[in-house]
Amino acid sequence: NAGVMQNPRHLVRRRGQEARLRCSPMKGHSHVYWYRQLPEEGLKFMVYLQKENIIDESGMPKERFSAEFPKEGPSILRIQQVVRGDSAAYFCASSPARDFSGNTIYFGEGSWLTVV
Amino acid sequence: EDQVTQSPEALRLQEGESSSLNCSYTVSGLRGLFWYRQDPGKGPEFLFTLYSAGEEKEKERLKATLTKKESFLHITAPKPEDSATYLCAVDRGSTLGRLYFGRGTQLTVWP
Repeated sequence: NAGVMQNPRHLVRRRGQEARLRCSPMKGHSHVYWYRQLPEEGLKFMVYLQKENIIDESGMPKERFSAEFPKEGPSILRIQQVVRGDSAAYFCASSPARDFSGNTIYFGEGSWLTVV
Repeated sequence: EDQVTQSPEALRLQEGESSSLNCSYTVSGLRGLFWYRQDPGKGPEFLFTLYSAGEEKEKERLKATLTKKESFLHITAPKPEDSATYLCAVDRGSTLGRLYFGRGTQLTVWP
């Protein structure tokens, strides 16, 4: 887990508010992934980003969720108008390369979102 | 439908009692199979990646093996600090990073 930094670690939001989760990849990594872990479920892929590009967002809910990875600064997962069902652990991961060449992906410690 | 199935869901072992965790997968065109360890309130910690049937990798008391349909994580003489949830994931695409995870095996090792 060393190197992938996520914040905040814990976030409480009221229904209808917005949640912003931040992720700084490991040094030298240019590829970022977001996963969600719902209670009693496995980790589910949400989105894959490179700097300024969304490569694969097929795992993202169609509404209220968005992600970006700007040229400067961390990747941000944004959830608008949160509902109780959004309560989950959100994990960011990063890798140094896109091609499958023996690289792996490393996860951060996660951001735990609670919607009340 | 489940692509990755892990068993058992939970396993309790006495310290020193060796055992194996199973991960079976149904995806075709497997690019890699990953094992992670996850402690409560933490992110998944990378353990191994296996790429082809017959491959084996070891790290301390852990040994991972891969066949065409499943992978095993063997734990030899476990210690209480090995207690964690062990996650298996597969990459079936052409791009590293989109992993399909199983629900994990929760391992408890008691002294």
